[in-house]
Amino acid sequence: KNQVEQSPQSLIILEGKNCTLQCNYTVSPFSNLRWYKQDTGRGPVSLTIMTFSENTKSNGRYTATLDADTKQSSLHITASQLSDSASYICVVRHASGTYKYIFGTGTRLKVLA
Amino acid sequence: GAGVSQSPSNKVTEKGKDVELRCDPISGHTALYWYRQSLGQGLEFLIYFQGNSAPDKSGLPSDRFSAERTGGSVSTLTIQRTQQEDSAVYLCASSPQARAKTTGELFFGEGSRLTVL
Repeated sequence: KNQVEQSPQSLIILEGKNCTLQCNYTVSPFSNLRWYKQDTGRGPVSLTIMTFSENTKSNGRYTATLDADTKQSSLHITASQLSDSASYICVVRHASGTYKYIFGTGTRLKVLA
Repeated sequence: GAGVSQSPSNKVTEKGKDVELRCDPISGHTALYWYRQSLGQGLEFLIYFQGNSAPDKSGLPSDRFSAERTGGSVSTLTIQRTQQEDSAVYLCASSPQARAKTTGELFFGEGSRLTVL
């Protein structure tokens, strides 16, 4: 069964600290993996995309990694800011159906001052 | 438009009433998706439109749910005889196209929060 699992479910950190969010998937065949940020009451916005051949990709203070062999991805946030408080959703695109996306349940991050 | 526009942003209705949710995708985007987001759940696929092709309705949870897309642009999701379990945020997303060699980024609207009393 194609699934995407994220951990932790929720996380609270102090402003300025780093954190790492995890995503494990069983989607096969795999096309790409995206991390989305969803602010409360807003729609998700793409942060980064990882394809099969990519191991690491950065977008400002966000760094995503991908291990296609173990089917794991992580999103590392450096020097967290209050505005990082949001849900982070891992989304895997299925290769056999170009419009098939499998969504994780998200990690809810709270950054405290 | 500049982004995906959804309306209404909030809808409170009584059980048994019909509701219509509207989505105006980014101009030029041929692919349009409806998802349902319930508390603590991942986004649940409802329906997919691509250009003039027949939509993929495989995610619609019951025959009370229907959607249409007129003129390849605006889409309406209709829920008939609403039930309390229909309460959720309904998200619409569009993308330029859904071909294998594209990155497939989804551009989401702000969502329509439906509450069925």
